[in-house]
Amino acid sequence: GAGVSQSPSNKVTEKGKDVELRCDPISGHTALYWYRQRLGQGLEFLIYFQGNSAPDKSGLPSDRFSAERTGESVSTLTIQRTQQEDSAVYLCASSLNRITEAFFGQGTRLTVV
Amino acid sequence: TQLLEQSPQFLSIQEGENLTVYCNSSSVFSSLQWYRQEPGEGPVLLVTVVTGGEVKKLKRLTFQFGDARKDSSLHITAAQPGDTGLYLCAGIIQGAQKLVFGQGTRLTINP
Repeated sequence: GAGVSQSPSNKVTEKGKDVELRCDPISGHTALYWYRQRLGQGLEFLIYFQGNSAPDKSGLPSDRFSAERTGESVSTLTIQRTQQEDSAVYLCASSLNRITEAFFGQGTRLTVV
Repeated sequence: TQLLEQSPQFLSIQEGENLTVYCNSSSVFSSLQWYRQEPGEGPVLLVTVVTGGEVKKLKRLTFQFGDARKDSSLHITAAQPGDTGLYLCAGIIQGAQKLVFGQGTRLTINP
């Protein structure tokens, strides 16, 4: 596709369940970011992948959060044992390299009930 | 602790007025970007500034990068209701890898 694609667009889950969010970046983009955006707030950095380098996981809020990326393609963000405070929009962005424009997907709105 | 502090966090003004929003840091940035986000959408890039003191114009929007590359401003002239949105600054700290965002300025332009 032409842009960054995220799925699902909306996810409602019960507290304690695991969820997996998917991001398909723009083809050829070596950098991929995950951010969390709570209602009415700015973007909270979660994790950054750049090519084959070790990912920067410094923004992951707890060990319930993990992410993987296969080469320079799809990435999945997994949240285990979801809590109500995990409710937010999760945004994925990709860029050609670390200093160029970041293109965002439309996000996955996660609601934990 | 926010690496990038944006001010004000909220701004509501009348159509036709001018406004300036600010993005400040104690760190030096190799580049700084401004994005606008509309409800239900991801942020979209408005501009990238790289050189200290650089000024870029995009129609009624003027972006400035501070001489020391630690701060930036966005000035909007004769604001329109279509300018309503969340304005985010983002940058890469010199020597670092990842793009970090400020908390945003939520701008509302009233007709």
